[in-house]
Amino acid sequence: AQKITQTQPGMFVQEKEAVTLDCTYDTSDPSYGLFWYKQPSSGEMIFLIYQGSYDQQNATEGRYSLNFQKARKSANLVISASQLGDSAMYFCAMREPLRSARQLTFGSGTQLTVLP
Amino acid sequence: NAGVTQTPKFRVLKTGQSMTLLCAQDMNHEYMYWYRQDPGMGLRLIHYSVGEGTTAKGEVPDGYNVSRLKKQNFLLGLESAAPSQTSVYFCASSPVGYNSPLHFGNGTRLTVT
Repeated sequence: AQKITQTQPGMFVQEKEAVTLDCTYDTSDPSYGLFWYKQPSSGEMIFLIYQGSYDQQNATEGRYSLNFQKARKSANLVISASQLGDSAMYFCAMREPLRSARQLTFGSGTQLTVLP
Repeated sequence: NAGVTQTPKFRVLKTGQSMTLLCAQDMNHEYMYWYRQDPGMGLRLIHYSVGEGTTAKGEVPDGYNVSRLKKQNFLLGLESAAPSQTSVYFCASSPVGYNSPLHFGNGTRLTVT
């Protein structure tokens, strides 16, 4: 079974508008961490934001926020005021404590295109 | 501040050839990883290491071997390359902290013909 599901292979958004990228996850462990990464066309992986399963508040980092709905097992990334430079592939990932090396399990990604 | 450095950036191999991908990190991280990225499949873990001298298999280890003789280096080897190993390979490292993100290298694009 897929542990991380990103159902939107591609998304378009108008510049300056907000956009939500969906991520659902599957784990039976009460303790876990959720991460979002950005991969621009140049290929590097850029860490954006982290949410712990016990965190009381949704994480925010500048224009990025994480809409964390624990009961629904969803961790959607919200980008406010989109910019052309936000065009990239976005990956959701999860860390589970039972995995010995703290590795991340990644979703298949969402390709975001910001339109001028 | 180099972070995670991967060499080479690009490589073309013929089926059956061997090669080693090099990964070096200067952040004194305990954990290191090798992932491969294929279209529509995200990143999948090949092998990982929790410390110098230790390695373990990830999700897709077949056809690869690794070594971590020094804490700062993690090598990925392909003994007999196959076209199915055409991919982009990422090395990453992480400190011990549970909420610490993985720090990635810039990737190696490997084509096996």
